[in-house]
Amino acid sequence: EVQLLESGGGLVQPGGSLRLSCAASGFTFSSFGMSWVRQAPGKGLEWVSIISGNSGSTDFADSVKGRFAISRDNSKNTLYLEMNSLRAEDTAVYFCAKEGGFCSGGSCSGFVAFDIWGQGTMVTVSS
Amino acid sequence: QSALTQPASVSGSPGQSITISCTGTSSDVGSSNLVSWYQQYPGKAPKLMIYEVTKRPSGVSNRFSGSKSGNTASLTISGLQAEDEADYYCCSYTGFSTFIFGGGTKLTVL
Repeated sequence: EVQLLESGGGLVQPGGSLRLSCAASGFTFSSFGMSWVRQAPGKGLEWVSIISGNSGSTDFADSVKGRFAISRDNSKNTLYLEMNSLRAEDTAVYFCAKEGGFCSGGSCSGFVAFDIWGQGTMVTVSS
Repeated sequence: QSALTQPASVSGSPGQSITISCTGTSSDVGSSNLVSWYQQYPGKAPKLMIYEVTKRPSGVSNRFSGSKSGNTASLTISGLQAEDEADYYCCSYTGFSTFIFGGGTKLTVL
């Protein structure tokens, strides 16, 4: 079964740091880009960051650029989001999401969308 | 960059069809066919319903369809069912390895 499981959320003070993890299973993790998407309480979805399958490229939303870092360990099938200089407006449920696509017969094909999502982990920034 | 524009809410009766619009700019929705739609129930993770404007992932009902004209994409749900009541979000690739979501639309089945 294809699955993503986030962890690492919690309560942190403004200016603090937190590291989120996303454990993947059931698919060839290294073959797909991965993103983080967040949702503030009662609000809509906001794309946060993306990393390619081989970690060769990353990008960030302007709202987190310079404060957040994304990385992955393909040997552990795990995605990370390092969040620094946290602000109250970073309070949200953070979802990890897989780039669309599938592998078959040793080859993989992808499409630009998020086809698998984790259940989310809550990050609260408050004093 | 501001979120794509979606109506805050739409409603319809069982069996009817509804359409949710998603308006962006020539830099996002209008620049490619890389628009996707997601369904989200309260407290749950989003689910991919449409990708590349018109394509349905395996397992998604053919009652869901997508289209695009210029800078506006649309999601149509035909034969509305009670289980379709949820929030719906559009998403567009911006061409610079970044994405932008719509503000979301709450669908109420009357």
